Amino acid sequence: GNSVTQMEGPVTLSEEAFLTINCTYTATGYPSLFWYVQYPGEGLQLLLKATKADDKGSNKGFEATYRKETTSFHLEKGSVQVSDSAVYFCAGARNDYKLSFGAGTTVTVRA
Amino acid sequence: NAGVTQTPKFQVLKTGQSMTLQCAQDMNHEYMSWYRQDPGMGLRLIHYSVGAGITDQGEVPNGYNVSRSTTEDFPLRLLSAAPSQTSVYFCASSSTGDYGYTFGSGTRLTVV
Repeated sequence: GNSVTQMEGPVTLSEEAFLTINCTYTATGYPSLFWYVQYPGEGLQLLLKATKADDKGSNKGFEATYRKETTSFHLEKGSVQVSDSAVYFCAGARNDYKLSFGAGTTVTVRA
Repeated sequence: NAGVTQTPKFQVLKTGQSMTLQCAQDMNHEYMSWYRQDPGMGLRLIHYSVGAGITDQGEVPNGYNVSRSTTEDFPLRLLSAAPSQTSVYFCASSSTGDYGYTFGSGTRLTVV
């Protein structure tokens, strides 16, 4: 079956530090890949996505590139802020539209 | 534009009680899903629907029923609540060709 493996946390950073969260997806064929963010007490919000290999998704200073050869979709941000403190979920879906989620990575940014 | 609306936001049930979690979307999305979120386990798919009148099971369907009589609504029914169903439940919708789901704000359910 399909599965998403996501770097486990928690991750604690200082403001302006570089953030990377690893994600790989195993499936037959190539899925669409997503990063969702969940701020405290809220639902999930789509952060960025890539619908085919070699696509780069970007939003709010975050970037992720769909690496075809490794089916990886690592999330990066060059300079984090306190407001980036949240839980980040990697997810994948094939044409059946059923999202498979990673376990989530809790990120805390200290001032 | 309200997006995906879930009610109630909080609920406490006694073991054996039944209830329905409501989900409505106003974006004319074909795809709708229910997930549960448990600590350290990410989100797991309970049931999903690809259109009105069509539903299917996800990863953890036992103890839950769904129906999709209209495009807008996708209620989740707990038949006989158990403590193992204590969780946060999220409803989500997506349009064909988009894949990116819009999530509701969640229902926090506690079964005692």
